[in-house]
Amino acid sequence: DQQVKQNSPSLSVQEGRISILNCDYTNSMFDYFLWYKKYPAEGPTFLISISSIKDKNEDGRFTVFLNKSAKHLSLHIVPSQPGDSAVYFCAASAANYGQNFVFGPGTRLSVLP
Amino acid sequence: KAGVTQTPRYLIKTRGQQVTLSCSPISGHRSVSWYQQTPGQGLQFLFEYFSETQRNKGNFPGRFSGRQFSNSRSEMNVSTLELGDSALYLCASSFRAGGADEQYFGPGTRLTVT
Repeated sequence: DQQVKQNSPSLSVQEGRISILNCDYTNSMFDYFLWYKKYPAEGPTFLISISSIKDKNEDGRFTVFLNKSAKHLSLHIVPSQPGDSAVYFCAASAANYGQNFVFGPGTRLSVLP
Repeated sequence: KAGVTQTPRYLIKTRGQQVTLSCSPISGHRSVSWYQQTPGQGLQFLFEYFSETQRNKGNFPGRFSGRQFSNSRSEMNVSTLELGDSALYLCASSFRAGGADEQYFGPGTRLTVT
């Protein structure tokens, strides 16, 4: 059973609009979450993180929202740019799990010019 | 600063064989983690090594093993290969143990088992 789910395998957005990528988790012990971006033929790149003591973290065009009661987090990209086209993975960990990270299956974002 | 390098980049093996993958971390990084990426399962954590010691291990069978050398380079070995082991194997390095937000990933080794 997947502990971290990204139910949308793909998403297409027009350049300049907002991209919203969603992630759900089942393990209530998770207390730290990350988003990674992956281009083809490259390894994933860390994008942004959030700990469970916060409900929002912002870094430039990227904002991550965490809803602990719903066990849901989302990544907002505003405005979306063609260079944002990539696969986005969310990952979760729990401090008392030795910081093993559990990754979601990824969402492929296509930003159309 | 050179990035994380993985060798080989592509590999084709047959069922039952064993394979060794290599990862050279960024200079100064002492933690190396290994991940398996498949289309259906996404990225799955295999294990993390820090200062030559296995620090964490994911939920993979004992056929998957690894080690880290004194220069922080790491190898991952898979014995008795199965078709389901076909995947992209990524390694990531970081300065501190468990530093997932500081992890730098290599380009991966694509393993195909026939």
